[in-house]
Amino acid sequence: DAKTTQPNSMESNEEEPVHLPCNHSTISGTDYIHWYRQLPSQGPEYVIHGLTSNVNNRMASLAIAEDRKSSTLILHRATLRDAAVYYCILRDVGGTSYGKLTFGQGTILTVHP
Amino acid sequence: GAVVSQHPSWVICKSGTSVKIECRSLDFQATTMFWYRQFPKQSLMLMATSNEGSKATYEQGVEKDKFLINHASLTLSTLTVTSAHPEDSSFYICSAWDNYEQYFGPGTRLTVT
Repeated sequence: DAKTTQPNSMESNEEEPVHLPCNHSTISGTDYIHWYRQLPSQGPEYVIHGLTSNVNNRMASLAIAEDRKSSTLILHRATLRDAAVYYCILRDVGGTSYGKLTFGQGTILTVHP
Repeated sequence: GAVVSQHPSWVICKSGTSVKIECRSLDFQATTMFWYRQFPKQSLMLMATSNEGSKATYEQGVEKDKFLINHASLTLSTLTVTSAHPEDSSFYICSAWDNYEQYFGPGTRLTVT
C-alpha cells in the first residue's frame, strides 16, 4: 500500500481555518485520497475524498497538488467539535486491496476556544 | 448517510471465555465488511475482511482460530473472540462500504479481566 505522512499534531483556534497536510509521494494513478477523522472512543467518520481535482463538501475542502504527491484538508472554520485525529489514507481501486483502508498514525488536531 | 451499528458497545468478560460482537449495516447491504482493532493511543489495525457467504480473509499475524468471523447475511457480520485473554482487551471496530464512503461502526470496547 502507498504510504502517507502526516504531522503528529496540530493546533488551531476556534473559528479559524485549519490546513492539515498529507504527503503521499508514492501515490499511484489508481489511488484515491481519502480523509477520515476519529473522535475519542468513536469509530472513524468519513470526511472527504478525491482523485485529482479539488473537492468541497459541507464538512471540508480537499486541495490536491497537481502532481498528486501531496494534499491538504481544509477546515474553513474550526469548532471545538472538530478536535479529533485526522487520517489521510490512499485507497487503491485498481489492485487486489480494493476496499481495504490502511490507517497511519494520523494528525491529532487540538482546537482552542 | 449509511449507518453501521455494533453490539454491544462495551463488554467485560473473564479470561478464558468467549465474546461475540455483532456488526450490522442498517440501511444498506454489505457483501464485505471489515474488522479493525485499536489499542489505546494507537491507530486502527485491520484484522480481517468478512465476506458474505464465504470465509473471511485474515491479515498477517491475526489468528483466525482465535478471532472467528461469520458473515451470514448481507447486513450482519459477527466477530467472536475465543478464549479471551487480557491482551485481547481493545477497541474493536467494524466497517462497510456504501458507494465511495466506508462507514464505521461506533466500536466495541472489550475488557478481559
